[in-house]
Amino acid sequence: EIVLTQSPGTLSLSPGERATLSCRASQSVSSSYLAWFQQKPGQAPRLLIYGASTRATGIPDRFSGSASATDFTLTISRLEPEDFAVYYCQQYGSSPWTFGQGTKVEIK
Amino acid sequence: QVQLVQSGAEVKKPGASVKVSCKASGYTFTAYYMHWVRQAPGQGLEWMGWINPDSGDANYAQKFQGRVTMTRDTSIRTAYMELSRLRSDDTAVYYCARDLPYGLWGQGTVVTVSS
Repeated sequence: EIVLTQSPGTLSLSPGERATLSCRASQSVSSSYLAWFQQKPGQAPRLLIYGASTRATGIPDRFSGSASATDFTLTISRLEPEDFAVYYCQQYGSSPWTFGQGTKVEIK
Repeated sequence: QVQLVQSGAEVKKPGASVKVSCKASGYTFTAYYMHWVRQAPGQGLEWMGWINPDSGDANYAQKFQGRVTMTRDTSIRTAYMELSRLRSDDTAVYYCARDLPYGLWGQGTVVTVSS
């Protein structure tokens, strides 16, 4: 089973700042099958990025994803008020599909 | 409108079973696998398994083997997830999600297991 470790656990930033979220895999993720989700309280997760770097339909271009070996990064270039939420990475290249434990982006 | 609509909240006693439904609309139900993911209170996301609505074949996470059954009724475009021998740590929100990479989710069903 591939274990995904997200860091930091909590990121305290102000609107307009840049957010960099990390997701490290315990082994290679097949074909960069790595997705990022945003979740707000009481809501289902929303797909932001798939294939490590492809934005899902309707996702603003301030969200971007990148990959390097077993390290994956989600970058939010300039935080908007609606971006404060919990973010999860997920690998779907190898069953069982696994999620990271999440990074909370909170208002500083 | 493309959407997944899940059944309402459930309260069950330990040892009982729960069956959650997920009704699809706006797309060809049999063209996409359906996955189930759960989230315990204040915790992260956990994949439970998938069902192929076309064939009925299912694949379950090892953790749930023997306790979970995923089925579907193509006539009403609905997928089901049944979890048996419930324990208190099965208290969670259960989501259905359409195929990888999960671009479409149901709204979630709260299942509370309490004596």
